[in-house]
Amino acid sequence: GQQLNQSPQSMFIQEGEDVSMNCTSSSIFNTWLWYKQDPGEGPVLLIALYKAGELTSNGRLTAQFGITRKDSFLNISASIPSDVGIYFCAGSTSGTYKYIFGTGTRLKVLA
Amino acid sequence: KAGVTQTPRYLIKTRGQQVTLSCSPISGHRSVSWYQQTPGQGLQFLFEYFSETQRNKGNFPGRFSGRQFSNSRSEMNVSTLELGDSALYLCASRNGTGGSPLHFGNGTRLTVT
Repeated sequence: GQQLNQSPQSMFIQEGEDVSMNCTSSSIFNTWLWYKQDPGEGPVLLIALYKAGELTSNGRLTAQFGITRKDSFLNISASIPSDVGIYFCAGSTSGTYKYIFGTGTRLKVLA
Repeated sequence: KAGVTQTPRYLIKTRGQQVTLSCSPISGHRSVSWYQQTPGQGLQFLFEYFSETQRNKGNFPGRFSGRQFSNSRSEMNVSTLELGDSALYLCASRNGTGGSPLHFGNGTRLTVT
């Protein structure tokens, strides 16, 4: 099935460090979503983006809708142990009502 | 506001059997989507229902089917189960307009033996 390219695939960081991850597509999207999934649970919505160039924050998380509309970025500042999990991006094109998901970035925080 | 509820949380079935999974969306949400999540393939879109009609469909065989009721609750059925159907099945609801975001349940973990 179709998936978006998400990088890095996994990362180990020290507590307190900032984290950056991105998602790229070959298609133009009208909506980008970012999710976090903890083991045994469903993905939880972190941030939704609707406009090229849009920058939106949710606490220590900041996401951006790329100006080419083919990519999106998520930054986590001052990471803490509970940031551990898998982060997914998802994109949707106008009129399809269907979201395509990224391959996920597995984040591990070392205390 | 209650979240998306999926039942059951865990299921163990034998190859060849059929299974029905249930999803209750967030109140007011008219759209329900189903996704299959496996370690190798990630999150794969199965189908979406809106106002009792299938609005979109992924690339899964006809053994995977779904329906939506008038109260927006949805069920997904998999017939003639195969070992490769073992996965976490996630249901997500949204209000159905344009790029409205998906809100996921905690999934049903299906194991086929």
